[in-house]
Amino acid sequence: QSALTQPPSASGSPGQSVTISCSGTSSDIGNYNYVSWYQQHPGKAPKLMIYEVSKRPSGVPDRFSGSKSGNTASLTVSGLQAADEADYYCSSYAGGNTLVFGGGTKLTVL
Amino acid sequence: QVQLQESGPGLVKPSQTLSLTCTVSGGSISSGGSYWSWIRQHPGKGLEWIGYIRYSGTTYYNPSLKSRVAISEDTSKNQFSLKLNSVTAADTAVYYCARVIDGVAAAGPWGQGTLVTVSS
Repeated sequence: QSALTQPPSASGSPGQSVTISCSGTSSDIGNYNYVSWYQQHPGKAPKLMIYEVSKRPSGVPDRFSGSKSGNTASLTVSGLQAADEADYYCSSYAGGNTLVFGGGTKLTVL
Repeated sequence: QVQLQESGPGLVKPSQTLSLTCTVSGGSISSGGSYWSWIRQHPGKGLEWIGYIRYSGTTYYNPSLKSRVAISEDTSKNQFSLKLNSVTAADTAVYYCARVIDGVAAAGPWGQGTLVTVSS
């Protein structure tokens, strides 16, 4: 069970869109539509932003969207705001009742 | 709404056992639909799933930690616990408890996290 692969950093200017990728394998992302995304501000606990690839929990702005193609999932943040600056983590069901997380991406709003 | 709170020692000596408890409020750990999970984050690093316990008491663990981990529940107190034995400095991390939603494998909500340092 290897960690999912995310770019260490991403950035964008206010109002722009940014996409963060999450690469897995046919044993996790490629085989299940159970990809989630989490937002973590410094010193805080992660917060669920996307589940089942593209669904948003109640209260999450529709500026956050998710997608998947093959073994890679993506999180897109549109209309970037200063408050979106945070670390973002992906996770996937990996079979056998196990979960795997990505290494995280630091999103900077320029 | 469901809330979780971790508790336990912040300092553990090498080779000893790390023990943490998560108290759940606003919902019963005995009800279906949830897996009660432990997840850790090494300083400045990403998240690592440790394992979870299902409402039936069945446990599932990260294969890389399976030989050292045990997760249990105390339904009378609405708590679940983590024990990690033979700890080393590499187990120093912030430990989170979280609810994992059955059927979608998504974690939320999370506890605030507790830092456990392994040092003599």
